[in-house]
Order: sequence, then C-alpha cells, then structure tokens
Amino acid sequence: GQQVQQSPASLVLQEGENAELQCNFSTSLNSMQWFYQRPGGSLVSLFYNPSGTKHSGRLTSTTVIKERRSSLHISSSQTTDSGTYLCALEPGYQNFYFGKGTSLTVIP
Amino acid sequence: GPKVLQIPSHQIIDMGQMVTLNCDPVSNHLYFYWYKQILGQQMEFLVNFYNGKVMEKSKLFKDQFSVERPDGSYFTLKIQPTALEDSAVYFCASSSQNTLYFGAGTRLSVL
Repeated sequence: GQQVQQSPASLVLQEGENAELQCNFSTSLNSMQWFYQRPGGSLVSLFYNPSGTKHSGRLTSTTVIKERRSSLHISSSQTTDSGTYLCALEPGYQNFYFGKGTSLTVIP
Repeated sequence: GPKVLQIPSHQIIDMGQMVTLNCDPVSNHLYFYWYKQILGQQMEFLVNFYNGKVMEKSKLFKDQFSVERPDGSYFTLKIQPTALEDSAVYFCASSSQNTLYFGAGTRLSVL
C-alpha cells in the first residue's frame, strides 16, 4: 500500500505568503528526505531530516518520528518556489519511497 | 554539489527494440537506484543495486529489465524488449549516508 502520503496535493499562493507542506508515513522511519522537482523534471535535495527541525534560508523541515510525519515550511514564498515538492521515506536501509508530491504555484 | 550524470537526455525508439539507459553515479557512492516517473505522476522505485548485485526491486521491475555496472563504467538500465508502457522519465540516483542524489533523467519515448 501507499507508505507515504503528502498533502495538500496542490497549493496556490500569493507571493509573500507562507506554505506548510505535510508528509505522513505509515511505516517505521530510518530517514526522511525532502526534494524540490523543477518543472523541467530534475530533483534537488532540500533536506535530509530523519528527526527534529532543520533550517535552510526560507525553508524549515520538522520530522516527528512518534507522530510519523514530516513537514516543510516555506516562508515568504517567491514565484521561483513554484514546482513540485516531494518527500522520500527510507523505511529500512538504503531504500527510498516517494509520496505523490505537492504542486506549488506562487503567483506574483 | 555531487553530480549524477545521465545519458542520453532523451531517447526515442520503436516498440520491441532494446534500449540502454546510462548513469554515471557520484564517484564515491556505493548504492545506485533507478526510478520511473510517468509525466505528472508519482516517482516510482524500480531497483537498487549494491556491490554488483540487485538488493531490492519493485513489481515495476519487469523481467524485461536488467541492471549492471561493469567495473569503472556506467550503471545501466536495459529494457529488452521495450513496450509502449515503458514510456516515462527514468531517473538514476546514488546515495551515501542515506542522502539521495539524482540525475536529470532520461526521457524514454517508445513508439
């Protein structure tokens, strides 16, 4: 079955607004990784975050293992943030499963 | 940052032909992966590979698929014969210490 659930499926923001993306998983967790997929298709790693909170510029990732969830917060969104955000779960060792992604559109 | 290179970026072939997708992983990485993504859909795990062997494969990794990495060369995904439903973008990835690095993908179009 589906091990990784992402929400919302899509999101439209006005530039400057904040976004909160969620990833819930149904199995145990060894690690969690967030990716940004550009409209052209290539993936960029945003965070490797198996637990706790990490920051990178306007991005914050929080993983709570007990609650089987991870979130990605984008503050002060920009039009260049538009694209698809994917979370990938590593339930065991060296095997990664992706959610369906959140499609983000930031309008000026 | 570390780079995974995929060649070619786009491949068009006729149904039934063989195709080989090439990946040059990050140099000191030990784990390699292939993922399949149909346009607008989910990234689906196909197979992972370590120390010259397939470690795990999904149901999408059909009998027509094979992977190998001969010493010092590319990590390859071969499909023989191809089918129409194999049309997708195939992403190669490699990992070190639980962090995945992806190539830009090969768009495969089977006609």
